[in-house]
Amino acid sequence: GAGVSQTPSNKVTEKGKYVELRCDPISGHTALYWYRQSLGQGPEFLIYFQGTGAADDSGLPNDRFFAVRPEGSVSTLKIQRTERGDSAVYLCASRDGAPNTEAFFGQGTRLTVV
Amino acid sequence: AQSVSQHNHHVILSEAASLELGCNYSYGGTVNLFWYVQYPGQHLQLLLKYFSGDPLVKGIKGFEAEFIKSKFSFNLRKPSVQWSDTAEYFCAVNAGEDSSYKLIFGSGTRLLVRP
Repeated sequence: GAGVSQTPSNKVTEKGKYVELRCDPISGHTALYWYRQSLGQGPEFLIYFQGTGAADDSGLPNDRFFAVRPEGSVSTLKIQRTERGDSAVYLCASRDGAPNTEAFFGQGTRLTVV
Repeated sequence: AQSVSQHNHHVILSEAASLELGCNYSYGGTVNLFWYVQYPGQHLQLLLKYFSGDPLVKGIKGFEAEFIKSKFSFNLRKPSVQWSDTAEYFCAVNAGEDSSYKLIFGSGTRLLVRP
């Protein structure tokens, strides 16, 4: 597609529930990132995929968070047993993988845990 | 650990005023530097980037930034702002040795330009 697409744009869930957030990167981009942006803060890195593998997951806050990218394109961020503190905008970005290139961001998914 | 500081959280200017937004980072090695902008209701968009070469970088919409290595700074400037520049601006850094190109962002500066 023309840009990075994220669905849903908004998600409201109850505390303790499981949620999945989807990211469809720019076609051909091998690098994919997930970031989380809390109110009044800049985006914080969660996880980086190069192709199908998670090359760096050092930003995932705990084991309730998991992400996959099984075919090297679409990625899903999964959050188990959601907590109110997980409420944030989850951003996906992709990059073409070549050196010295920038990342392109999606619109984000606003997750609200009630 | 790397960090990015944007000291101005809110800036209010009148149209045609000059703009300078501060960005300082903490990392002693080679860095790649970025400014992203988020217009109301829109996604983050790249304004400009620095990887190497001329430390004065020109971006879109008349923005520029200067990398001053000795000051660990990458301040954003525009000589004359417009109402349409109202947005949130984020400085971001990536360690040059980090082949992931993952970004460390500042907390952002909200710019309001009064017509």
